[in-house]
Amino acid sequence: NAGVTQTPKFQVLKTGQSMTLQCAQDMNHNSMYWYRQDPGMGLRLIYYSASEGTTDKGEVPNGYNVSRLNKREFSLRLESAAPSQTSVYFCASSVIGGDTGELFFGEGSRLTVL
Amino acid sequence: AQSVTQLGSHVSVSEGALVLLRCNYSSSVPPYLFWYVQYPNQGLQLLLKYTSAATLVKGINGFEAEFKKSETSFHLTKPSAHMSDAAEYFCAVSAGGSYIPTFGRGTSLIVHP
Repeated sequence: NAGVTQTPKFQVLKTGQSMTLQCAQDMNHNSMYWYRQDPGMGLRLIYYSASEGTTDKGEVPNGYNVSRLNKREFSLRLESAAPSQTSVYFCASSVIGGDTGELFFGEGSRLTVL
Repeated sequence: AQSVTQLGSHVSVSEGALVLLRCNYSSSVPPYLFWYVQYPNQGLQLLLKYTSAATLVKGINGFEAEFKKSETSFHLTKPSAHMSDAAEYFCAVSAGGSYIPTFGRGTSLIVHP
């Protein structure tokens, strides 16, 4: 099984450009998440979708938008990229908030904004 | 509110030595606790989880962790480190119906030959 698939794996943008990170899961999970990982900061939640049709802000939502396209897919959009958004982005999914909240992660998308 | 503190951003051990990675949590209700591992250039994968069934939890690759309510701790241990254990380790907590886990800042485990 593929699990959680993210595209692209690497991207370089110029300040002000826009782009969309794509995420798809094939585990029939209800909930999906976008995190960013920065050195020394751990993982910080950007947005999440508890179920198809709903999205909510996490800890660091500014400068981002999301779309839960269907149960499988959850995209993250940067409308006007800034150098502060240089980071590694991870998509994750879970069965439902669930009895435990165990997350399944993709391999990450490494974004550099110049 | 829930939070996690991982003590030590880097831990260095010799191959064959005991591994101890520290995690303390804060939660007003009984928590679920997790340890995830991240190998270089990969995503995170679950090592083990505590969900109130047993206080000593065994995970993959010989790791285990003990939930100590009195100390609000969930430290990760392995009796004998292998070179392949070198990675970033994250402790996480979810509690009180907020099923979304909060992650610690991570501890980088360095294993010397």
